[in-house]
Amino acid sequence: DVKVTQSSRYLVKRTGEKVFLECVQDMDHENMFWYRQDPGLGLRLIYFSYDVKMKEKGDIPEGYSVSREKKERFSLILESASTNQTSMYLCASTNSYSTDTQYFGPGTRLTVL
Amino acid sequence: EDQVTQSPEALRLQEGESSSLNCSYTVSGLRGLFWYRQDPGKGPEFLFTLYSAGEEKEKERLKATLTKKESFLHITAPKPEDSATYLCAGAMKTSYDKVIFGPGTSLSVIP
Repeated sequence: DVKVTQSSRYLVKRTGEKVFLECVQDMDHENMFWYRQDPGLGLRLIYFSYDVKMKEKGDIPEGYSVSREKKERFSLILESASTNQTSMYLCASTNSYSTDTQYFGPGTRLTVL
Repeated sequence: EDQVTQSPEALRLQEGESSSLNCSYTVSGLRGLFWYRQDPGKGPEFLFTLYSAGEEKEKERLKATLTKKESFLHITAPKPEDSATYLCAGAMKTSYDKVIFGPGTSLSVIP
């Protein structure tokens, strides 16, 4: 079974703090994604990566950056957290030759005070 | 603009009362239409992928269908454990595997 894990289930940070969210997948998948999920808005793509050290902006990249130094690990960075970044953050991965299914992690509920 | 919408936003059913969830899409070059189930506080779990109009897939009490403009998730004789949010997503034919998600339908099945 594919397993996608995220470093924290719940996180509380203060405005202006630098925040790191980590995602690890164990299936040697090429593509990894970061989404945020807000009520009524669905999942919105922040960034994705199709290879190590490669990254592409999604629909809402402002205020975020990412890092993919190893194939299995994809990090989302909030350089200076703001209250409007309070959300559920979901990581996903797919095999580049089987893009039908995105496997999701359990999510990180981030609250910025 | 590529978009995926879902209706209704929320649905309450009595146990055994069959119904359908709707997903409408305007995605250029649709590569596939996906359905996911999401339980509270958890990540989405894959259910189905549909590729072409007329295609149908089934899993237990769920059946997904696809037309050229929309997809339906039919729930037959639902049970309380079917309560969840159901997400629809469309994948675009681009260089990368970009997927557009709808806002979801929250289903509650009352015993």
